[in-house]
Amino acid sequence: DAKTTQPNSMESNEEEPVHLPCNHSTISGTDYIHWYRQLPSQGPEYVIHGLTSNVNNRMASLAIAEDRKSSTLILHRATLRDAAVYYCILRDEWGNQFYFGTGTSLTVIP
Amino acid sequence: DAMVIQNPRYQVTQFGKPVTLSCSQTLNHNVMYWYQQKSSQAPKLLFHYYDKDFNNEADTPDNFQSRRPNTSFCFLDIRSPGLGDAAMYLCATSRSYGPISTGGNQPQHFGDGTRLSIL
Repeated sequence: DAKTTQPNSMESNEEEPVHLPCNHSTISGTDYIHWYRQLPSQGPEYVIHGLTSNVNNRMASLAIAEDRKSSTLILHRATLRDAAVYYCILRDEWGNQFYFGTGTSLTVIP
Repeated sequence: DAMVIQNPRYQVTQFGKPVTLSCSQTLNHNVMYWYQQKSSQAPKLLFHYYDKDFNNEADTPDNFQSRRPNTSFCFLDIRSPGLGDAAMYLCATSRSYGPISTGGNQPQHFGDGTRLSIL
């Protein structure tokens, strides 16, 4: 499976936008890009996923580079409840396996 | 409205004493997964079931087994826990997998995990 690379940690001020980057230079044409987050003492939570086009939902936006070798998760207004570890995951077309990278620990500063 | 329920949240067992962790789901999903997450690490997939078909990861130790008696329940059995098996164990479900054109690549829904301690 292709691997993802993320910064270990990032900080953001409350109510400001946050851009969480992910590199996946070995992505294949049928790999979907998934993002999950894990709040302290909880299981991971689905955030968003996409293939080629940018995606928006109520939680976040996903911007995918034209060559698909990188993507960015965008939280439009960070809140204290967004403090979590964010995982960028590649999942093949069959999606039957799921391998987490090391993730980015996001700290939100009041 | 918990959809993936893991019991208990905390489990303590003795070195070498078999232990079973349980997971139930109200989503009627076809796929159930078990992950191991050690402190400050990402979750690591152990195995999964698609309906009754069991799929083991190549590097999952033989000490770890699983059972899925019906759609709603899945169990993780650790036959002889060692100190290195102390971790959070996460259960997850998804509706299916396969090409997205046939309804696959669905999000996974996780429980809040069982934290296992070994004395």
